[in-house]
This record gives sequence, C-alpha cells and structure tokens, in this order.
Amino acid sequence: GNSVTQMEGPVTLSEEAFLTINCTYTATGYPSLFWYVQYPGEGLQLLLKATKADDKGSNKGFEATYRKETTSFHLEKGSVQVSDSAVYFCALKGGGSNYKLTFGKGTLLTVNP
Amino acid sequence: EAQVTQNPRYLITVTGKKLTVTCSQNMNHEYMSWYRQDPGLGLRQIYYSMNVEVTDKGDVPEGYKVSRKEKRNFPLILESPSPNQTSLYFCASSLSATTPYEQYFGPGTRLTVT
Repeated sequence: GNSVTQMEGPVTLSEEAFLTINCTYTATGYPSLFWYVQYPGEGLQLLLKATKADDKGSNKGFEATYRKETTSFHLEKGSVQVSDSAVYFCALKGGGSNYKLTFGKGTLLTVNP
Repeated sequence: EAQVTQNPRYLITVTGKKLTVTCSQNMNHEYMSWYRQDPGLGLRQIYYSMNVEVTDKGDVPEGYKVSRKEKRNFPLILESPSPNQTSLYFCASSLSATTPYEQYFGPGTRLTVT
C-alpha cells in the first residue's frame, strides 16, 4: 500500500534560517503529493501540491519538487519566520481509484526570534 | 465563507455512552472524510464518503459509524466509546475524490473517553 515517511521532529530554527523537511513516499501508479500545515489549535491547511513528476509546488515562500526518481517531495524555505512555527504534514493521494490521502506523521517546526 | 464546521470542539465522556460528532460543509463538495490524529501516528482515515448514500471504510473504522444522508453533512457516530478512541478528530471535504483537489479540514474535535 501507499506510505509516506517524513523526518521526525521537532525541528528548531532561528528566524531567517533555511528550512528543509524531508519527505519520501511509496506508492503504486502516479500519486499526487501535498504538504499541509497545521497551526496551533487549528485544522490542516493545504500549503502546496504537485500532481506529476518534476512539478514544483510553491506557496508563501515554501517550495517542494516532485522527484519520481528518488520518490521524494522535500519541503524547503529559504528564510523562515516565527509565524511559520507549526506542524507540517507530507501527504499523497494515490492515482487511479485510490481516493484516500495518506499522511506522514508530521514534523513540528519551532522558529525562535 | 467557505468552511467545514465540526461540533462539539471539545468533548469529555465516559465509556459506553453513545455520542455523535457533527460535520457540515457549505461548499457543495462531493467527497467527505473523517480522520483521527494521534501523537506519533499522524492522521489516519476512519471513513470516507464519495457522495450522498455512498460511504466506505478507511484505515481505522472499528468502533465508528457514519452516514451521509445529505450532501453537506457527514456525522461520525461512536456507539460505545472506549478510552482508546480518545483522540483529535478532523472532518474534511473535497470537491471530488477522483482528482487531486484540495481537501478542506474542519477545526477539529478533541474527544476524551474516560
């Protein structure tokens, strides 16, 4: 079945540091890949997505590239802010008739001023 | 405002006392789903619904029931809650299940079963 593995946290950075959160996946067919963000006390929000190999998703300064050869979808941001502190989830949606979102376990990011 | 609402937001109950968590969306979405979030386990799907009167099991359906009588509502029912169902529950909806549309999540319901 499908699975998502993302780096375990917590990750603690200083403001303006570079962020990478690794995500690799196992899936049959051609999945779509997502990063969701969960701010404290809130539900999940879509941060970015990519639907085919070599696509780059981007939003709010965050980027991730769908790498089929390495089955990866790493999240990056060049300069984090305190307001980026949240839990980040990598997820995939299988191709074909597989409708479910499969999530990684989440990575807690804390950005200090 | 487009949104998914859940009620209640917080619930403390006792083992065996039936409860229902409501979920409603105002976006005319076809697909709705329930997840539970547990520390170290991420989000796991409980049940999902492709459309009215069409529901199916997710990864962890034991101990839960759902119904989809109307397009906008997708309640989660715990007939006889047990302490291992203590968790944070999220309802989500999407325009369609067959394309990679964004899933919109509700604010969550924190359930404690003693």
